[in-house]
Amino acid sequence: AQSVTQPDIHITVSEGASLELRCNYSYGATPYLFWYVQSPGQGLQLLLKYFSGDTLVQGIKGFEAEFKRSQSSFNLRKPSVHWSDAAEYFCAVANQAGTALIFGKGTTLSVSS
Amino acid sequence: SAVISQKPSRDICQRGTSLTIQCQVDSQVTMMFWYRQQPGQSLTLIATANQGSEATYESGFVIDKFPISRPNLTFSTLTVSNMSPEDSSIYLCSVEEAGNTIYFGEGSWLTVV
Repeated sequence: AQSVTQPDIHITVSEGASLELRCNYSYGATPYLFWYVQSPGQGLQLLLKYFSGDTLVQGIKGFEAEFKRSQSSFNLRKPSVHWSDAAEYFCAVANQAGTALIFGKGTTLSVSS
Repeated sequence: SAVISQKPSRDICQRGTSLTIQCQVDSQVTMMFWYRQQPGQSLTLIATANQGSEATYESGFVIDKFPISRPNLTFSTLTVSNMSPEDSSIYLCSVEEAGNTIYFGEGSWLTVV
């Protein structure tokens, strides 16, 4: 069965510092990969997605993610974190188009000044 | 992206009662999904809402507890029946758009007392 692992439950980063959130998936083929952000009291906003092609994908709000097949990873990065980035981040996978997402447990990002 | 509207956005309900959550999309979509997010947890798929037929439920979720309707390609409802405090969660509607991207509504925040 598919699974998604986000190893870090909580990360604190200083404002202006770089960020990397880890995501590992378990699936035989190349899955559809997504990162979502959930701010307190809000729904989920799509940051970026990967289906095929260039393994480095750009998203909104200055985020990017890199798909590494050999490591079964899809880590999210941002070069300089802003206080407004404090939120819950979810990695998700679908095994094919038209199927529902399986979510990781999420990583809570805190930003210190 | 599609605009997904959920009603109610928040509600406080008495145990033993039922609540119907509506999900309206501003464009026709083939795939609609319902998720539950319990406090401090990740998202769990409840069911796939199929247009014109019965919903497909995930393990642990049953139609008697979570009846779902999907009368057309832009609308779905999820009912949480005979509620208990354990049903206090955020219930999220999601849709798959062309390009296989999945978007979420803002969620319906339900508290059962």
